[in-house]
Amino acid sequence: SAVISQKPSRDICQRGTSLTIQCQVDSQVTMMFWYRQQPGQSLTLIATANQGSEATYESGFVIDKFPISRPNLTFSTLTVSNMSPEDSSIYLCSVEEDGTYYGYTFGSGTRLTVV
Amino acid sequence: QKEVEQDPGPLSVPEGAIVSLNCTYSNSAFQYFMWYRQYSRKGPELLMYTYSSGNKEDGRFTAQVDKSSKYISLFIRDSQPSDSATYLCALNTNAGKSTFGDGTTLTVKP
Repeated sequence: SAVISQKPSRDICQRGTSLTIQCQVDSQVTMMFWYRQQPGQSLTLIATANQGSEATYESGFVIDKFPISRPNLTFSTLTVSNMSPEDSSIYLCSVEEDGTYYGYTFGSGTRLTVV
Repeated sequence: QKEVEQDPGPLSVPEGAIVSLNCTYSNSAFQYFMWYRQYSRKGPELLMYTYSSGNKEDGRFTAQVDKSSKYISLFIRDSQPSDSATYLCALNTNAGKSTFGDGTTLTVKP
């Protein structure tokens, strides 16, 4: 299965600033996903990022707040913009192994604290 | 009402016990059923998946799906301290997006 490198692993940021999270995959994948996992809660899908097209955002998430880039089949970034303490969470990227509708591989996550 | 409800836990069992983890769902469009294990400060790791009613076994782990009752379970036999983690059920439609349960935190005590 794919191996995902996610950076940074953690960060503490000032409110009002932005943080860009990087997700590098060791193989080409069609679909990449960005999730948020708040403390003690499950994973919430932020958006789906396909190469060469605009990301598709889930209800409650907007491009101005969470811009996503997907320049090629092995890389994506998620930016958390104009951060507030409510954005403190773990952000995870995941990929779908081509040809499956199940069993996504996840990165280790970025633990973000906004102060 | 959430589409996926997972028994909340936490669960604490002695080493060697049989563990049962459960989720119910309401959307008949779910066709693929997964269990993930998430260790502290790590991303979820796919443990098992199935797409039909019945049982699927992999070593000490058995995934069970009952589509008629909209109920899925994960059984862990001979539980080990290394099984201590949060377990998440996840369900997919044919569109590919996963809906996750809230997770059950399991502690296996030596």
